[in-house]
Amino acid sequence: NAGVTQTPKFRVLKTGQSMTLLCAQDMNHEYMYWYRQDPGMGLRLIHYSVGEGTTAKGEVPDGYNVSRLKKQNFLLGLESAAPSQTSVYFCASSQPGTGNTEAFFGQGTRLTVV
Amino acid sequence: SQKIEQNSEALNIQEGKTATLTCNYTNYSPAYLQWYRQDPGRGPVFLLLIRENEKEKRKERLKVTFDTTLKQSLFHITASQPADSATYLCALDRTAGNKLTFGGGTRVLVKP
Repeated sequence: NAGVTQTPKFRVLKTGQSMTLLCAQDMNHEYMYWYRQDPGMGLRLIHYSVGEGTTAKGEVPDGYNVSRLKKQNFLLGLESAAPSQTSVYFCASSQPGTGNTEAFFGQGTRLTVV
Repeated sequence: SQKIEQNSEALNIQEGKTATLTCNYTNYSPAYLQWYRQDPGRGPVFLLLIRENEKEKRKERLKVTFDTTLKQSLFHITASQPADSATYLCALDRTAGNKLTFGGGTRVLVKP
């Protein structure tokens, strides 16, 4: 089972460059999320989606955009990268319901902006 | 503001002993509390979920308690093993599967 797959795993960007991180899940989950993880800060929610065609802002959305054109994919875009966006990015998915609502995470994308 | 706090200091423990981790929260009324394990360079992996009307949940050597009056959850690893060494994250959720908010995590090191 693939679960949640993130592309790429590593990337170095120059300040001002743009890029898109791709997240794909094969579990038919409704909800998808993008988090960033920084030392001492834990996981912080950037944007999330509760279904195909929907997106919403999380805790730290500035400087990022997202799209969910297909249920299985959730894209995170950086239009003009800044050194403050150096971080490890995690995508996750979950299925809403009254039972177990665990989130499944990808392996992460380590992004460095120089 | 809402805050979820876990002990940022690493917990060093001898193999075979019980490790106890704390998750405290303020200005929050979660419906669910979850615990995850994260190994270096990997994404978090779900361990246990406990609902607001549950006091305790167990899974193999893991036990979680949830005290909504104290606004605290305790996570216990009994008979700890070196393979339990990892960072453990607590996460709160107000609704089923929506907008998990994470604490900073506590690193556990189990020494043989």
